[in-house]
Amino acid sequence: EVQLVESGGGLVQPGGSLRLSCAASGLTFSSYEMNWVRQAPGKGLEWVSYVSGSATSIYYADSVKGRFTISRDNAKNSLYLQMNSLRAEDTAVYYCARENGDYVGLDYWGQGTLVTVSS
Amino acid sequence: QSVLTQPPSVSAAPGQKVTISCSGSSSNIGNNYVSWYQQLPGTAPKLLIYDNDRRPSGIPDRFSGSKSGTSATLGITGLQTGDEADYYCGTWDGSWVFGGGTKLTVL
Repeated sequence: EVQLVESGGGLVQPGGSLRLSCAASGLTFSSYEMNWVRQAPGKGLEWVSYVSGSATSIYYADSVKGRFTISRDNAKNSLYLQMNSLRAEDTAVYYCARENGDYVGLDYWGQGTLVTVSS
Repeated sequence: QSVLTQPPSVSAAPGQKVTISCSGSSSNIGNNYVSWYQQLPGTAPKLLIYDNDRRPSGIPDRFSGSKSGTSATLGITGLQTGDEADYYCGTWDGSWVFGGGTKLTVL
């Protein structure tokens, strides 16, 4: 069974940094493209970043470009999101989500980790 | 402001049918596959429909999807109280874009 488990969320002051992790199991992790998607309290889904299986292709939403860095360690079956220069508007639940690969869709999601940016 | 446009809410009685629309443009829905996600209260989103009209295994055939031009539609028949959730459409156009979400109330 595929499982994605995020960790690393918490309370951080504006301008601070945080590193999120997503531990994957039940899949050949390196074969799958991965994404981070966030959801501000009471709001809809917002895509944050994408990384290909070999990390040769990486994309970011304009709202986080230059501040966030996505990475992965296929040997550890893990996905990461380094978040710097955090702002209040980055407050959200952050989900890691797998791209199916055979079709266009995010077929597995983690349970999410809450990031709160506040002084 | 979401790239894709969905109605904020829809409602219907148990056993009835409801449709949720998702409107985009030629740069997103018009030239890409659409997927739909169900988010039950307090949980992560779940894939309901992919490639416009295909259901992952385990998703009942009460859920259906369609696409025409720059719009897509999610249909749910035989509504159950357990279907009360937020529903999101999404598509990839060089980045993932989502609708603002539609809250389904089963009266």
